[in-house]
Amino acid sequence: GEDVEQSLFLSVREGDSSVINCTYTDSSSTYLYWYKQEPGAGLQLLTYIFSNMDMKQDQRLTVLLNKKDKHLSLRIADTQTGDSAIYFCADRGASKIIFGSGTRLSIRP
Amino acid sequence: EPEVTQTPSHQVTQMGQEVILRCVPISNHLYFYWYRQILGQKVEFLVSFYNNEISEKSEIFDDQFSVERPDGSNFTLKIRSTKLEDSAMYFCASSKQGADTGELFFGEGSRLTVL
Repeated sequence: GEDVEQSLFLSVREGDSSVINCTYTDSSSTYLYWYKQEPGAGLQLLTYIFSNMDMKQDQRLTVLLNKKDKHLSLRIADTQTGDSAIYFCADRGASKIIFGSGTRLSIRP
Repeated sequence: EPEVTQTPSHQVTQMGQEVILRCVPISNHLYFYWYRQILGQKVEFLVSFYNNEISEKSEIFDDQFSVERPDGSNFTLKIRSTKLEDSAMYFCASSKQGADTGELFFGEGSRLTVL
């Protein structure tokens, strides 16, 4: 069945770029998403990319999609302490959205 | 800003008891979902609901689970006889349409602890 995989933890220094990676298996993906979850809150959509695009930029966020390798990444430029959260990669297949386990991003001073 | 609300935020129950988790989706949304996340694991799809019926359900959503939209605002998840392995965070979500960008709007979750 469909699957989405991502690493569990990432630690970066404040001001550096963070790159969170994700792989997925569904060949019929239409949209791929990055959701952010802050402590005590639900998942909030951060950004998304349509499957026929290979890049999308939105202020400090850059999403790269390699459809051939089924690899999605989220780059956060100039990472700030407020970026500390869990980031979920998600894939919309034919009928539902499948999530990964989330990458916990922590920021070092 | 409209939001999805869930109650209770935390429920502790004994194994074998029935539990109802409640959700109020965003008012003009038509698609409703339940997901769950066992601690440290993936956010897993349970069920989607549209036009007053289940549109899709996962293997997890067995006969112990049911969903209902009893009125125009609430969307509930019932677990008939809870098991230890049902302990998880349960997220309700809603979306305007099933076939657009598909953004799901999530509630803050209901943490279920089964003892």
